[in-house]
Amino acid sequence: QVQLQESGPGLVKPSQTLSLTCSVSGVSISSESYYWSWFRQPAGKGLEWIGRIYISGSTNYNPSLKSRVTISVDTSKNQVSLNLSSVTAADTAVYYCARDQQLALNGFDPWGQGTLVTVSS
Amino acid sequence: QSVLTQPPSASGTPGQRVTISCSGGSSNIGSNYVYWYQQLPGTAPKLLIYKHNRRPSGVPDRFSGSKSGTSASLAISGLRSEDEADYYCAAWDDSLSGYVFGTGTKVTAL
Repeated sequence: QVQLQESGPGLVKPSQTLSLTCSVSGVSISSESYYWSWFRQPAGKGLEWIGRIYISGSTNYNPSLKSRVTISVDTSKNQVSLNLSSVTAADTAVYYCARDQQLALNGFDPWGQGTLVTVSS
Repeated sequence: QSVLTQPPSASGTPGQRVTISCSGGSSNIGSNYVYWYQQLPGTAPKLLIYKHNRRPSGVPDRFSGSKSGTSASLAISGLRSEDEADYYCAAWDDSLSGYVFGTGTKVTAL
């Protein structure tokens, strides 16, 4: 059974860098079958795709966030990481990671439970 | 910013058929597969429909998807109280080289 779990600081100060980790179990992130994506959802609002990474290191980012986002993998820990720099209150949201079955065009499945990040001084 | 447009809400009595629309453009729905996600209150999204109209294992057959041109639809036949949730459409956008989501539709069983 594939499971994903997001973790990281729940509170980040404005102008600092938000750093989150997605721990994956039940499948190797080194698998050539999948991408790994990050999303966010401000309270009461819709979903926004942040970006994704493939095991080769290839990445795609949302153009609206591209200048501030870095997604990376740690194969030794089977983890995917998200860094978002120069955060403001507008970056306050629940952040999710998900397996991206792009190669088979089968959608995002499964998702992690999400982690709330608040940007405040 | 959401590139795909959905109605903010939809409702029906238990047993009724409810349909949600998702309007996009040639660079997303018009040329790529549409996906639907269900988000129950306080939980993470869950894949409901992939490749326009296919259901993952475990998704009831009362959920169905379709696509025509640059729009897509999700239908819930025989609405049940446990279907009360937010529903989002999504697709790859060739112009943005990324995924775009719909604005989301809240479904209520009256």
